[in-house]
Amino acid sequence: AQSVTQLDSQVPVFEEAPVELRCNYSSSVSVYLFWYVQYPNQGLQLLLKYLSGSTLVESINGFEAEFNKSQTSFHLRKPSVHISDTAEYFCAVSEGSSASKIIFGSGTRLSIRP
Amino acid sequence: EPEVTQTPSHQVTQMGQEVILRCVPISNHLYFYWYRQILGQKVEFLVSFYNNEISEKSEIFDDQFSVERPDGSNFTLKIRSTKLEDSAMYFCASSDAAGYGYTFGSGTRLTVV
Repeated sequence: AQSVTQLDSQVPVFEEAPVELRCNYSSSVSVYLFWYVQYPNQGLQLLLKYLSGSTLVESINGFEAEFNKSQTSFHLRKPSVHISDTAEYFCAVSEGSSASKIIFGSGTRLSIRP
Repeated sequence: EPEVTQTPSHQVTQMGQEVILRCVPISNHLYFYWYRQILGQKVEFLVSFYNNEISEKSEIFDDQFSVERPDGSNFTLKIRSTKLEDSAMYFCASSDAAGYGYTFGSGTRLTVV
């Protein structure tokens, strides 16, 4: 069975500072990995995903994540955050071989201080 | 960009009443899912649906829950007799055969009073 661990429930950072949201997963099969963002009182939006190929994936708003198979990690990073990045971020995993369910981590609340 | 559409966005129902949550998946997708997020908690998988039958379900998806694809476009989640603890945001999702196009709807907030 797959599982996802997000060690940090809350991450406060100052605006324009770098941030890393940590995610580790466990799975006995190859996986797809995702980061979803949930802004206050809104639904889930896909931020980025790793399916295959390059282990570094990027989003259009400056976030990036790197798939590290040896460390079973998929940490999310941004070199300089904005107030508008304030949201809940969920790491998620699914089996890589079929259209299977997605298992979510418990989420990390990113709060940006001016 | 294609979207998964959910209606209503917010529904209030009395305990013990039946409720149907509706979803219109992306038209060429073959796999359909329901997830639940209780306020302040993580998103939990409920059920997956393929080829007009349930392919997988979680422990949460007990006999009170059912899913249906009544026509070629809608995908519904029915809760037969709602309980207070069913209050949550319910997300529908759909994906293509390879799982690449996994897309979530904006959710229905169900409040049971």
